[in-house]
Amino acid sequence: GQQLNQNPQSMFIQEGEDVSMNCTSSSIFNTWLWYKQDPGEGPVLLIALYKAGELTSNGRLTAQFGITRKDSFLNISASIPSDVGIYFCAGPTGANSKLTFGKGITLSVRP
Amino acid sequence: NAGVTQTPKFQVLKTGQSMTLQCAQDMNHNSMYWYRQDPGMGLRLIYYSASEGTTDKGEVPNGYNVSRLNKREFSLRLESAAPSQTSVYFCASTALELAFFGQGTRLTVV
Repeated sequence: GQQLNQNPQSMFIQEGEDVSMNCTSSSIFNTWLWYKQDPGEGPVLLIALYKAGELTSNGRLTAQFGITRKDSFLNISASIPSDVGIYFCAGPTGANSKLTFGKGITLSVRP
Repeated sequence: NAGVTQTPKFQVLKTGQSMTLQCAQDMNHNSMYWYRQDPGMGLRLIYYSASEGTTDKGEVPNGYNVSRLNKREFSLRLESAAPSQTSVYFCASTALELAFFGQGTRLTVV
């Protein structure tokens, strides 16, 4: 099946710093989704992207749908402690558009 | 604003016991999913249901069965629990490819 690759598995930043993470695939995706999972909770949708080249913001978060349709980027500016969590990229695959998730990046923010 | 509701939130089973994880959504979504989450493995799809009356295997279906009882409910059954099934289980439903998740069930098999 189609795989979504997220690296590294963990990122450590200082409060106030910006951070960028990406998600890549060997296959084309028509939709890119970014989710955040807080500790002990289910993932929550942050941003949805539907068009190649699209740039969408949600507060301090900005995500881009790569031109090749094989990658997407999420940027978090001026990080704060509550940004801690696991960030997943996801996209629909297959005949029934079932959602496939990357392995996620665990973000830690040092105060 | 219930969204997706999973029960129970926590469960401890002995090896060989059976149990059913319940999931219900009140958003009138057609598609529902069961994922398991293990450290470093992300969210792996166990089963999904594109609509009422249909179910399909995902990436890791072995040891599990599902039932799409109606449009609202999608249950996951472990017939004979094994320690390898210790995990956090998430149910989700989707509308227009956007998934909404329950709060998870933390299952330990001893």
